[in-house]
Amino acid sequence: EVQLLESGGGLEQPGGSLRLSCAASGFTFSSYAMSWVRQAAGKGLEWVSRISSSGGSTYYADSVKGRFTISRDNSKNTLYLQMNSLRAEDTAVYYCATSDYGRFQDWGQGTVVTVSS
Amino acid sequence: EIVLTQSPGTLSLSPGERATLSCRASQSVSSSYLAWYQQKPGQAPRLLIYGASSRATGIPDRFSGSGSGTDFTLTISRLEPEDFAVYYCQHYGSSPLYTFGQGTKLEIK
Repeated sequence: EVQLLESGGGLEQPGGSLRLSCAASGFTFSSYAMSWVRQAAGKGLEWVSRISSSGGSTYYADSVKGRFTISRDNSKNTLYLQMNSLRAEDTAVYYCATSDYGRFQDWGQGTVVTVSS
Repeated sequence: EIVLTQSPGTLSLSPGERATLSCRASQSVSSSYLAWYQQKPGQAPRLLIYGASSRATGIPDRFSGSGSGTDFTLTISRLEPEDFAVYYCQHYGSSPLYTFGQGTKLEIK
């Protein structure tokens, strides 16, 4: 059974940093591209970032480019999202998801990030 | 940039009825990269349909997808109580890499 477990969310001040993690199990993590998708309270889904299976290619939404960095450690079956220069508008539930073939097949349960002073 | 517009914003129906949800793209998109998701309150989204018309693993056959070009449809043939949720369409393209529609809320009438 595929399991994706996010962690690292919390309350951070504007301008601060957070590092999210997503621990994967139940599938060959190193064979799959992975993404982060976020959802502000009461709002729709927004794709944030994607990383290839090897980690060699990364992609970002314009809203986070230059501030967020996606990475992965295939030896630890873990996906990361380093979030710097946080803004109030980054407040959301952050989901990790497998993202091959143009779709998000499996999702974690999400971790809540709140940016507020 | 491709924009996906879903309609209606809210759809009020009764169990047993047929639901038709629309997703319109601002320009022609590849059907191969059009997907639909269901999201219930407090839960992560769940993949329902990919490639515009292929059901994901474990999805009941009352869910079906169709369409091409700019117009795509998700149909639920006979609504079950557990089908009342928010539905999103999504496209994979160039910039941004992934785009979601704003969602359609399917509520019990």
